Amino acid sequence: SAVISQKPSRDICQRGTSLTIQCQVDSQVTMMFWYRQQPGQSLTLIATANQGSEATYESGFVIDKFPISRPNLTFSTLTVSNMSPEDSSIYLCSVEGGASGTDTQYFGPGTRLTVL
Amino acid sequence: LAKTTQPISMDSYEGQEVNITCSHNNIATNDYITWYQQFPSQGPRFIIQGYKTKVTNEVASLFIPADRKSSTLSLPRVSLSDTAVYYCLVGRGYSTLTFGKGTMLLVSP
Repeated sequence: SAVISQKPSRDICQRGTSLTIQCQVDSQVTMMFWYRQQPGQSLTLIATANQGSEATYESGFVIDKFPISRPNLTFSTLTVSNMSPEDSSIYLCSVEGGASGTDTQYFGPGTRLTVL
Repeated sequence: LAKTTQPISMDSYEGQEVNITCSHNNIATNDYITWYQQFPSQGPRFIIQGYKTKVTNEVASLFIPADRKSSTLSLPRVSLSDTAVYYCLVGRGYSTLTFGKGTMLLVSP
């Protein structure tokens, strides 16, 4: 299984600012994903980030608010822009894993973001 | 897009077998059934995946009846460290995999 790390592990930010979250995986993967988990809630997929192409965003999420970079096969960043308290969540990245066609994922530890 | 229904919470005691059932009446022919475990302040962890019948690994068993409209995750002899949220996902293709509310399993001494 892939080992995934995220930086920062947590942060407290002021409204109106932006935070970039990094996701590093120990092996090359084509597909990486970014999720949001609001307090006490389940995970919601923000976008899929494939190396060499623009990220694909899910309904309700836009590139201006959550720009994503995917410069190579082991790294991705998610920026939370112009933050408001409603953006306080845990942000998780994940990568594809398992046998081909099984759509299993390996998740990072998450970044806990608090916006004041 | 297959939706899933799980119990919101379950209680158990150490050493007992726990069975968590997930309903997915609209499962499609190509959909897999996947279970994840999430501890507080951690990302979800893959537990087990199946397509039909029974799958067993070192952590759990997954029972899937012939009609595939439900599945049961079986955790043998749970311990306190099995206290977590368990998610059942059904789908094919990463963007279709929706995390529901999951089942909060509380294991007591």
